[in-house]
Amino acid sequence: SQQGEEDPQALSIQEGENATMNCSYKTSINNLQWYRQNSGRGLVHLILIRSNEREKHSGRLRVTLDTSKKSSSLLITASRAADTASYFCATEEAQGGSEKLVFGKGTKLTVNP
Amino acid sequence: ETGVTQSPTHLIKTRGQQVTLRCSSQSGHNTVSWYQQALGQGPQFIFQYYREEENGRGNFPPRFSGLQFPNYSSELNVNALELDDSALYLCASSGLRQGYNSPLHFGNGTRLTVT
Repeated sequence: SQQGEEDPQALSIQEGENATMNCSYKTSINNLQWYRQNSGRGLVHLILIRSNEREKHSGRLRVTLDTSKKSSSLLITASRAADTASYFCATEEAQGGSEKLVFGKGTKLTVNP
Repeated sequence: ETGVTQSPTHLIKTRGQQVTLRCSSQSGHNTVSWYQQALGQGPQFIFQYYREEENGRGNFPPRFSGLQFPNYSSELNVNALELDDSALYLCASSGLRQGYNSPLHFGNGTRLTVT
């Protein structure tokens, strides 16, 4: 079953614009992670935010986490054509001994030059 | 530092056959997880291995099985293939267990097609 649900499913913007993707989840979590996937390839880890953190930055990426609303957002500023990819949020649940990640269905981002 | 490598990259099998997929972990990583990603979906957790022992399993039937070797490489075996097993199979490794906050390093996957 998928816990995280990204919104929107698809997003098309012009180069230089900002892109915002949202993620909602259902259970208590240890952390929430964002991954990027280029077509048909493996996933690349972008950023991890722990359950006791509210905001985190990495380069052009800004992630927020609201555990009371069970939601997160990923902001990509000054987007580039190379940012075109699918973006997934993944949650590590608070229960359980494995580092199992539960992924959403992803947001497909297209950045037009 | 070598990344996660998976083989083969593509595979075509017939319904009812068996398949073995292989994964070499990133150097220094001792935990391997396998995920199945159907077209247009997010990855779904199959199972995880830590120090050669299964350490968590997702909602997959017993015909999905795995192994982890002393060098931390891993295999995913699927018996009695079904059409719905067609997917991208992703292997991911992570480092020493220091808590639950380590990101996963993914390989590029094996694209399995069952006809």
